[in-house]
Amino acid sequence: EVQLVESGGGLVKPGGSLRLSCAASGFTFSNAWMSWVRQAPGKGLEWVGRIKSKTDGGTTDYAAPVKGRFTISRDDSKNTLYLQMNSLKTEDTAVYYCTTVVGATSPYHDYWGQGTLVTVSS
Amino acid sequence: QSVLTQPPSVSEAPRQRVTISCSGSSSNIGNNAVNWYQQLPGKAPKLLIYYDDLLPSGVSDRFSGSKSGTSASLAISGLQSEDEADYYCAAWDDSLNGYVFGTGTKVTVL
Repeated sequence: EVQLVESGGGLVKPGGSLRLSCAASGFTFSNAWMSWVRQAPGKGLEWVGRIKSKTDGGTTDYAAPVKGRFTISRDDSKNTLYLQMNSLKTEDTAVYYCTTVVGATSPYHDYWGQGTLVTVSS
Repeated sequence: QSVLTQPPSVSEAPRQRVTISCSGSSSNIGNNAVNWYQQLPGKAPKLLIYYDDLLPSGVSDRFSGSKSGTSASLAISGLQSEDEADYYCAAWDDSLNGYVFGTGTKVTVL
């Protein structure tokens, strides 16, 4: 059974940093493309970014609002995905979901974690 | 700001059929497959339809997807109370080089 468990959320001040983790199990993590999707309170879903498997280059892509501030990385030895968030803004307040990604072209997100809440407030 | 437009809400009586539209452009729906996600109240989203019209294992065949040009639709037949949820369309956008979600549609069973 595929399991994705996010952790690391919490309250942080504007301008601060936070690192989220996503522990994966039930599939071959090293072969998987992974992504982060967020949802602000009462709002819709917003793609944050993705990371390809190392065999496919291990490269990353980001949404415009987070590019240059957020970094997605992975540790295949620990089956863990990370989201390093710097220079946080109040508009980054959201539940952050870790997902698996299928498809190099026309991708879709087939498994989702339960999410972790990040609150950016002074 | 979402680049895929959906109606904010739809409602229908039990056992009836509803359709949800999703309007995009040539850089997303017009050139890439559409996927649909269901989000039950207080839960994480779940993949409902992928590659325009395919159902993942375990998803009821009361759900169906279609696409034409730069628009897509999700249909729910035999509406049940358990279908009350938010539904999002999504697709890769070649111009943005990113994945885009629709604005979301809340389905209410009357």
